[in-house]
Order: sequence, then C-alpha cells, then structure tokens
Amino acid sequence: QVQLQESGPRLVKPSETLSLTCSVSGDSISSYYWSWIRQPPGKTLEWIGYFSNSGSTNYNPSLQGRVTISADTSKNQFSLTLKTVTTADTAVYYCAKYYNAFDIWGPGTTVTVSS
Amino acid sequence: QSALTQPASVSGSPGQSITISCTGSSSDIGGYNYVSWYQQHPGKAPKVMIYDVSKRPSEVSTRFSGSKSGNTASLTISGLQTEDEAYYYCSSYTGDTNWVFGGGTKLTVL
Repeated sequence: QVQLQESGPRLVKPSETLSLTCSVSGDSISSYYWSWIRQPPGKTLEWIGYFSNSGSTNYNPSLQGRVTISADTSKNQFSLTLKTVTTADTAVYYCAKYYNAFDIWGPGTTVTVSS
Repeated sequence: QSALTQPASVSGSPGQSITISCTGSSSDIGGYNYVSWYQQHPGKAPKVMIYDVSKRPSEVSTRFSGSKSGNTASLTISGLQTEDEAYYYCSSYTGDTNWVFGGGTKLTVL
C-alpha cells in the first residue's frame, strides 16, 4: 500500500525559502508522476507542479520562477522548494501520486508564512 | 490558468440524488477526457471519487458517477448518505502537463 508523508518547517519568514520533503513508501518514485498541491485556509486546491518517472518536471505557470521540485531516488523522496515566500503562500501543502488521477495523497502539512 | 467553476454549495436529503457541475473551457474540460472529482472532509486530505470523467476507483461506492458534456463535467451522488457531507472538487488536465482544480462545492446532507 502506497503511503506519502510530508515533512518540513511549519513556519517560514516572508522573503525566505519554503522547503518540504515527501517520503514515499510502498512504491518507487521511479514510477508514475509525483505532485505537490496546496490549499490556502478556506480556499480551493492549487496544483503546484510535478516530478515524473522520466525525471522531467513541470510547474504551475503562476508559480514559475519561484518553484522547484526535485527527487532523491535513493531515499525514495521528492522535495518542494518555493522561493521568496509571502503571506499568500500560507497553506496546507500536500504531496500526491498521479496515476490517472491524484490517487494517493499525504495527510498534508500546514506551512505559515509570518515574521 | 483559471480555476474551474463550481457552485459554492448544494444540499439534499438522505436518499435523494444531487448533481454538482464543473464548468471550464475548450482548453481543459472540453479538450480532454481527464476530469476527476475529489471528496474532502474537514481537516483531511482529498480522496479521488471519479477519474477520466466517469471511471470509479474500486473502493468508491457505485452511488457516485461522473459525466461530461462540452465544457461542463458533472458529479452525481445518488442515495445520499450523511457521510457524503463534505467538500467536492473537480479537476481537469489543461494540456502541457498542467492541471487545474475547481473552486469547490460544499455538500450539505439535510
């Protein structure tokens, strides 16, 4: 059974960099697509980007230039880096596996951007 | 890319059927058969209920069904149960390996 778990700092200061890691168990990240998705308080879901089994990445155009998704296949983990954060980046951040749909999700981690 | 348009709320009584619409454009819903629907209970991660417009994961109740006409997708829940009360989000592939979500619909089971 595939399981995902997000980890990383819960509090980030404005203008600094947000970094999160998703640890995957039960399957290899060398298969499928692996995404980050976020949900600001009281708002809808926003797809951030993905890392694919072929090593390619793609990002939401609204975040292009600030976001990077990378993977460490030896640890079966993939990571999110979001630069120059503002309070608008405060959200629950989810990692998810994509196979025909975002079919497996982590429980999510709340990241607050505040000084 | 703009969020897909969903009604903010719908409601129904136990045993009834409801339909939630999701309207996009020819660049997303109308252009691809890659629409999915997610159920989210408060404080929980979303769960996929429908994918590829009308396919249902094996663990999802047959009371959930999906369809599409033009630029609008729909989720129908029949035989409403109290545990169906949740937020529902649609999602569509938009080309260039991008995805977009709807604004979300709160389902209340009266």
